[in-house]
Amino acid sequence: QVQLQESGPGLVKPSQTLSLTCTVSGGSISSSTYYWSWIRQPVGTGPEWIGRVFLSVNSHYNPSLKSRATMSVDRSKNQFSLRLSSVTAEDTAVYYCARGVDYIDQTGTRYDYLDVWGKGTTVTVSS
Amino acid sequence: EIVMTQSPATLPVSPGERATLSCRASQSVGSDLAWYQQRPGQAPRLLIYGASTRATGIPARFSGSGSGTDFTLTISSLQSEDFAVYYCQQYNNWPPYTFGQGTKLEIK
Repeated sequence: QVQLQESGPGLVKPSQTLSLTCTVSGGSISSSTYYWSWIRQPVGTGPEWIGRVFLSVNSHYNPSLKSRATMSVDRSKNQFSLRLSSVTAEDTAVYYCARGVDYIDQTGTRYDYLDVWGKGTTVTVSS
Repeated sequence: EIVMTQSPATLPVSPGERATLSCRASQSVGSDLAWYQQRPGQAPRLLIYGASTRATGIPARFSGSGSGTDFTLTISSLQSEDFAVYYCQQYNNWPPYTFGQGTKLEIK
């Protein structure tokens, strides 16, 4: 049973860089079957997708973050990370890491979904 | 960016009754739509992908339908654990993947 656990500071000052790590247990982060994602959710709103990374070689980010987000994978520790620079109060949210599946079945139908999520970690941006 | 709009924002339903939740995309997403359930204080949980395929371990009372821009999540007979917030999410045109603002199912 794969489990994901987020870790990192709960309080970050404005203009600084937010750094979070997701530790994957019960499975390998090096599997070519899955990609790894970060999603955040401000209080009272729907989730917002931040980005995804696949095997350290392929990453995509939400354009709304204007290149502030960077994701990386550490295979030796079975972890992946998020760095979000120049944070403001608008970056205050619960941050989730998740495992994604993206494949095309034998009929040519593509499926892409987040099937395992961490419990989430609250990050507050405040001085 | 594709905007996902869910309605209603809140849906009061009695246990044992059927609930029908709607999700509309600002442009066609084909069948590239997933539904997630979020209970208070928990992470979202995958229910449906491909608009109508139940994820592993999801009870048969959950069903999804629709294609193009209009989608529906139906819960046939509400159990106490089903009262939660439900989100739709498109994966047709990304980045970014986009979620709706959610429908909160509350006890009537």
